[in-house]
Amino acid sequence: EDQVTQSPEALRLQEGESSSLNCSYTVSGLRGLFWYRQDPGKGPEFLFTLYSAGEEKEKERLKATLTKKESFLHITAPKPEDSATYLCAVQAKEAGGTSYGKLTFGQGTILTVHP
Amino acid sequence: GAVVSQHPSRVICKSGTSVKIECRSLDFQATTMFWYRQFPKQSLMLMATSNEGSKATYEQGVEKDKFLINHASLTLSTLTVTSAHPEDSSFYICSARAGYSNQPQHFGDGTRLSIL
Repeated sequence: EDQVTQSPEALRLQEGESSSLNCSYTVSGLRGLFWYRQDPGKGPEFLFTLYSAGEEKEKERLKATLTKKESFLHITAPKPEDSATYLCAVQAKEAGGTSYGKLTFGQGTILTVHP
Repeated sequence: GAVVSQHPSRVICKSGTSVKIECRSLDFQATTMFWYRQFPKQSLMLMATSNEGSKATYEQGVEKDKFLINHASLTLSTLTVTSAHPEDSSFYICSARAGYSNQPQHFGDGTRLSIL
């Protein structure tokens, strides 16, 4: 069974204080790892897809990296508007049958950035 | 691009009522759509997957007669909660994906369902 564990559960930062969120995963064969941002009362907003170990993606103050066991979301010089819940999800390779590429989500990290 | 619209955003109704939630992909064709349920401070729980023109695939423990899913076109899927009861109160979120299965899912803004 695919499993995703995110840490920490909650993270409080001062504006400008860089940090990293962790996503550890267990999957039979990784097709893709996805990062999303979710604001309260809203649906998740897509950030990145990573497909293979060693891959990195960047968007503004965010940078996502991937190894064979985990992914990190690095936040450089965060601002209060970066406050949100960050979700990590994995998609397994389909070994016969049809799962239509469903995602398994972690519990999320609640990030709060204080001005 | 990749905008998904979900309607209504909030529903409050009496126990025993059936409620329909719509999910539309506005600027792309969604070959696959997904329906999730999210409890407070918890992550997304997949309820079912639907492909246009075929029957939905439900996750274990999700009652198909309770949660009716229709995916009649490449831009529209609906979830009907039949004879809703207070325990069905939750945040329901849909997502849509175009093309190949390793493409990202794009999510609607959810529907807050409250059954009195």
